[in-house]
Amino acid sequence: AQSVTQPDIHITVSEGASLELRCNYSYGATPYLFWYVQSPGQGLQLLLKYFSGDTLVQGIKGFEAEFKRSQSSFNLRKPSVHWSDAAEYFCAATGGATNKLIFGTGTLLAVQP
Amino acid sequence: DAGVIQSPRHEVTEMGQEVTLRCKPISGHDYLFWYRQTMMRGLELLIYFNNNVPIDDSGMPEDRFSAKMPNASFSTLKIQPSEPRDSAVYFCASSRQGGYTFGSGTRLTVV
Repeated sequence: AQSVTQPDIHITVSEGASLELRCNYSYGATPYLFWYVQSPGQGLQLLLKYFSGDTLVQGIKGFEAEFKRSQSSFNLRKPSVHWSDAAEYFCAATGGATNKLIFGTGTLLAVQP
Repeated sequence: DAGVIQSPRHEVTEMGQEVTLRCKPISGHDYLFWYRQTMMRGLELLIYFNNNVPIDDSGMPEDRFSAKMPNASFSTLKIQPSEPRDSAVYFCASSRQGGYTFGSGTRLTVV
């Protein structure tokens, strides 16, 4: 079955430190991959997406993600975290014959001053 | 473009009442999705439409839930009768060519 896994439920980093949020997918073929961010009480904002081509994808707010086919991963990174980055982050994927966008369980990011 | 518009933003209702959530997708988008978000289950896809036709409703939890898309600019998700365990945030999203845009959600509380 198609699935998206985010192994880390909760991560705490210090402001200014680097960040990597993990995402793994299970699909028959390479899916389209997405990262969304959700602040408390808010909707989902798209950070970046990967369809094909260059495996390093740049997004908004200084985020980037790297697609690694061999590891079925699409990890999100940021070199220096700001306090305003505290939020929940969702990895999502769609592919195959449908347009179903399936989400991982999310990673809640806390930023320490 | 005003984005995906959902109404109401908040809904509080009593158990047993009918609840209708509304969604206006982005013009020109040919897919529409309904999701439910809870702490326990995360973001679940309930149903999605392509060109106003329901494609997959396997995520609809029970017969109490129904969704319609009478035209390209409007969709409803109805719960009848509502139960406390239906309390959640319900998101609508629309899509075209792999780009997905989400509404701000409807926070439903069933007491």
